Amino acid sequence: EAQVTQNPRYLITVTGKKLTVTCSQNMNHEYMSWYRQDPGLGLRQIYYSMNVEATDKGDVPEGYKVSRKEKRNFPLILESPSPNQTSLYFCASRGQGIVTSGELFFGEGSRLTVL
Amino acid sequence: GEDVEQSLFLSVREGDSSVINCTYTDSSSTYLYWYKQEPGAGLQLLTYIFSNMDMKQDQRLTVLLNKKDKHLSLRIADTQTGDSAIYFCAEMDSGGYQKVTFGTGTKLQVIP
Repeated sequence: EAQVTQNPRYLITVTGKKLTVTCSQNMNHEYMSWYRQDPGLGLRQIYYSMNVEATDKGDVPEGYKVSRKEKRNFPLILESPSPNQTSLYFCASRGQGIVTSGELFFGEGSRLTVL
Repeated sequence: GEDVEQSLFLSVREGDSSVINCTYTDSSSTYLYWYKQEPGAGLQLLTYIFSNMDMKQDQRLTVLLNKKDKHLSLRIADTQTGDSAIYFCAEMDSGGYQKVTFGTGTKLQVIP
């Protein structure tokens, strides 16, 4: 089954304790992206990756890091989480190329609370 | 940067039609999308329209695009309680990495 898998789904942590949210896709997609969803603000892009070893900042990258060492995986790293990073996080992927509608495939979300 | 705006909330009675509206600022959009988010789940593509089209119909869904006013709408005919969800409008730009910008989402509540 084609899917994007995120872990953990729920996490409560404390300020300053490094954490990683993993994301894996099995569709051989080149493009992967992280979003955060906050009430009244919709989805905002944190980082994206066009392919292996090719990552770039989205609209709200401060406080986050990513890496893309393998095509299927795109982890989101919070080196020193702060309460303003409490949010619902989504990983998404899509294929590239001209014969595509650009549909994004989303994971089920990771709800992070930073105390 | 690009901006996509939606109203936050819509309430309709079961069986009525729902119309969710969206405005965007990017005049070079290639595709415009409607995604649906059910409670506790990720977003799923509901439908999309290419920027050179004015309308697209898919069963109970009708998408209207007014490029001049940069206005996109989603009409759901015969709305059911299972349609209760958050609906996100999104647009893809024509730039090199085809950035997709999402709106704030409209929460549709269907009253039985």
